[in-house]
Amino acid sequence: DAGVIQSPRHEVTEMGQEVTLRCKPISGHNSLFWYRQTMMRGLELLIYFNNNVPIDDSGMPEDRFSAKMPNASFSTLKIQPSEPRDSAVYFCASREGGQLYFGEGSWLTVV
Amino acid sequence: KQEVTQIPAALSVPEGENLVLNCSFTDSAIYNLQWFRQDPGKGLTSLLLIQSSQREQTSGRLNASLDKSSGRSTLYIAASQPGDSATYLCAVGGGSEKLVFGKGTKLTVNP
Repeated sequence: DAGVIQSPRHEVTEMGQEVTLRCKPISGHNSLFWYRQTMMRGLELLIYFNNNVPIDDSGMPEDRFSAKMPNASFSTLKIQPSEPRDSAVYFCASREGGQLYFGEGSWLTVV
Repeated sequence: KQEVTQIPAALSVPEGENLVLNCSFTDSAIYNLQWFRQDPGKGLTSLLLIQSSQREQTSGRLNASLDKSSGRSTLYIAASQPGDSATYLCAVGGGSEKLVFGKGTKLTVNP
């Protein structure tokens, strides 16, 4: 299996622009998680899905953030409008049993 | 609210040394605990998963222990190698599917 696939790997955008991050989980995994990692706050869970349904989005920082999972093989995390404080690494992970499998992350810089 | 602490934040050892990384958590009502490794610019790789009913797990030169009553876990690395240099993160799972992560210990093994 190719593992969890995220795109883009790196994105630099201007403040106010819309950013869309994409994730393809491992086939057969029923749970998908979006995390954000910063030096200050470490890894924070933003939202997770079970069987394509959002279960807990309490970690989504503001209404500017939204996430969708239209089918079992694809999810998006959208930031609109983006702000410099959104600069971070955004990880997608999928789960089998108790183990999480992470993608390599999307490195976002908002200038 | 669960809080996970990892001390020290950074550790430097000579090659061949046995070492212990520490993780503490505030709420002992956990479902499981995972240790991850993160290489620079990469995602997280799961190393060991300990269920709440278990005391330890072993994989090769790695051994992780769990003491729920005291809110502690340790990751023991035997005969450390330069290739073990990475950041090691501890994550605690509660009754939901959320994992709460520590900020990690950055390990450097010097040849």
